[in-house]
Amino acid sequence: DQQVKQNSPSLSVQEGRISILNCDYTNSMFDYFLWYKKYPAEGPTFLISISSIKDKNEDGRFTVFLNKSAKHLSLHIVPSQPGDSAVYFCAAGGSNYKLTFGKGTLLTVNP
Amino acid sequence: GAGVSQSPRYKVTKRGQDVALRCDPISGHVSLYWYRQALGQGPEFLTYFNYEAQQDKSGLPNDRFSAERPEGSISTLTIQRTEQRDSAMYRCASSLFSGGQETQYFGPGTRLLVL
Repeated sequence: DQQVKQNSPSLSVQEGRISILNCDYTNSMFDYFLWYKKYPAEGPTFLISISSIKDKNEDGRFTVFLNKSAKHLSLHIVPSQPGDSAVYFCAAGGSNYKLTFGKGTLLTVNP
Repeated sequence: GAGVSQSPRYKVTKRGQDVALRCDPISGHVSLYWYRQALGQGPEFLTYFNYEAQQDKSGLPNDRFSAERPEGSISTLTIQRTEQRDSAMYRCASSLFSGGQETQYFGPGTRLLVL
């Protein structure tokens, strides 16, 4: 049973517009969430994280929103750029060190 | 500074052979993790080291898989008597400290293909 779900395998967005990537989780023990970005032939690169004590964290064009009651988080990229095209993984962690990952969403930003 | 490095980047082996995959974490990082990633999936946890101590190996699929980090830096994941189902991307990550809410930084991975 998948504890972290990214239900959209792919997303296509026009350059300059907002990209919204979604992630749902089932384990209420998760208290730390991360987004990783992955280009082909490279490892996942850390992008942004959020602790469960917050509901929003912003870093430049990237904002992560956490809705604990809905067990849902989202990554907003504004404005989207062609270089943002990559696979985005949502990951969740608890009081231990293990990260549980979703399957990823392929974002394509069209010029 | 240098990130996490892994070698080899690609490994093709015949069924029944042993393979050793190496991970060189970010200098000074206390914690080291191994994950396995199947095609179309996210990484799945295999094992975790805090310095040289293997704190958790609950994700290792069976006793053909083992890992070590003898001096608290470089780690080796060994798969004995490889099987075709072992084919996957093996990823290593490290974090500065141990415990929860530590950002894990990933290496480029070793793609293993067992024929």
